[in-house]
Amino acid sequence: AQSVAQPEDQVNVAEGNPLTVKCTYSVSGNPYLFWYVQYPNRGLQFLLKYITGDNLVKGSYGFEAEFNKSQTSFHLKKPSALVSDSALYFCAVRGLPERSQGNLIFGKGTKLSVKP
Amino acid sequence: AAGVIQSPRHLIKEKRETATLKCYPIPRHDTVYWYQQGPGQDPQFLISFYEKMQSDKGSIPDRFSAQQFSDYHSELNMSSLELGDSALYFCASTLTGGVGTDTQYFGPGTRLTVL
Repeated sequence: AQSVAQPEDQVNVAEGNPLTVKCTYSVSGNPYLFWYVQYPNRGLQFLLKYITGDNLVKGSYGFEAEFNKSQTSFHLKKPSALVSDSALYFCAVRGLPERSQGNLIFGKGTKLSVKP
Repeated sequence: AAGVIQSPRHLIKEKRETATLKCYPIPRHDTVYWYQQGPGQDPQFLISFYEKMQSDKGSIPDRFSAQQFSDYHSELNMSSLELGDSALYFCASTLTGGVGTDTQYFGPGTRLTVL
């Protein structure tokens, strides 16, 4: 069964510092991995995805993620955090990799807090 | 760009009542997903539709049903509501087989409160 794990409930960083939000995955077959961000009382916004190709994926708002097959990780990163990046971040994997209509399976989420 | 539209945004119901949530996917998207997010929880997949046919089924209670109509909008019908049904219900859409087919775009959600 497909699953993702986000080992940190919360990550605190100072504005201007680099940030990392961790995600590890467990899949059978090829991993289709995603990052979404959720602001309070808002929907989920797509940040980036890894399907195939380069291990370093660039996404919206200056975020990037590195796919590491040997460590089964897909950590989200940003070189310089902004206070406005404070939100809840979800890592997700496609539940049925062989089907493009496959639903998403989410991690528990990591709350990112960026302090001025 | 047009996004996924959900209505209503907020809904308050009593126990044992029924509720209908509506989802209007991004234009030309043919696949719709429904997710439930309880307080402090991650979103859980309920059900999906592709080209107006049920595609997959997740942890959707038997009290819930859904369908996708000819204009691709979808409705989630919830009956005999329970306190535990209080949650944020998200709809997401994608164009299967199209550019970016793997990406699900989410609506703002409907917050259902059952009293």
